[in-house]
Amino acid sequence: QQQVKQSPQSLIVQKGGISIINCAYENTAFDYFPWYQQFPGKGPALLIAIRPDVSEKKEGRFTISFNKSAKQFSLHIMDSQPGDSATYFCAASMLLWGQGGKLIFGQGTELSVKP
Amino acid sequence: DSGVTQTPKHLITATGQRVTLRCSPRSGDLSVYWYQQSLDQGLQFLIQYYNGEERAKGNILERFSAQQFPDLHSELNLSSLELGDSALYFCASSVSYRAAGNTIYFGEGSWLTVV
Repeated sequence: QQQVKQSPQSLIVQKGGISIINCAYENTAFDYFPWYQQFPGKGPALLIAIRPDVSEKKEGRFTISFNKSAKQFSLHIMDSQPGDSATYFCAASMLLWGQGGKLIFGQGTELSVKP
Repeated sequence: DSGVTQTPKHLITATGQRVTLRCSPRSGDLSVYWYQQSLDQGLQFLIQYYNGEERAKGNILERFSAQQFPDLHSELNLSSLELGDSALYFCASSVSYRAAGNTIYFGEGSWLTVV
């Protein structure tokens, strides 16, 4: 119930291509869905986030698509660049007393963008 | 640089021992979070403190404990260490106690190896 399932585990994309990472959840109490980017040796960093009342959010080359009925959301990276090579995590949190700060992370996707 | 400082960066210790990981949050952040990252479990939420008080608890083992001090820095104590406790431990901080609408900043982590 509190899981977030992420796929694929790894992804190789050519420079300039579109990278797509998918996540699915079961718990309808989740109300916040961020994506984090992690480079080797660094901590995760917030990339972009969405609330369930919005179906899409775009920031630069990064877009989140959200499908509330399917309980799925995805990250699209347009015009992927070698510098985007990193591990990406989707996450979710819920508006419940005492749980609002807790992020439940997907298993991560290792993205490699080939020049 | 996220502004979250963790020490030590690397730690090697023997089974059965006790270690303390230290975290200084970003200036002005009242919430401190601890996460464990391992290959098999991924990123797991351990515990959150907000302004000195425990706010949310995850699957933190009884052998682990944490606290947040009046100056807002936090410590994670790991005792009776087992081989399986080897992992990267992240501290994170944010202004609010909620994840939604707030950026949670992660430190670079403390690598713990139990031998």
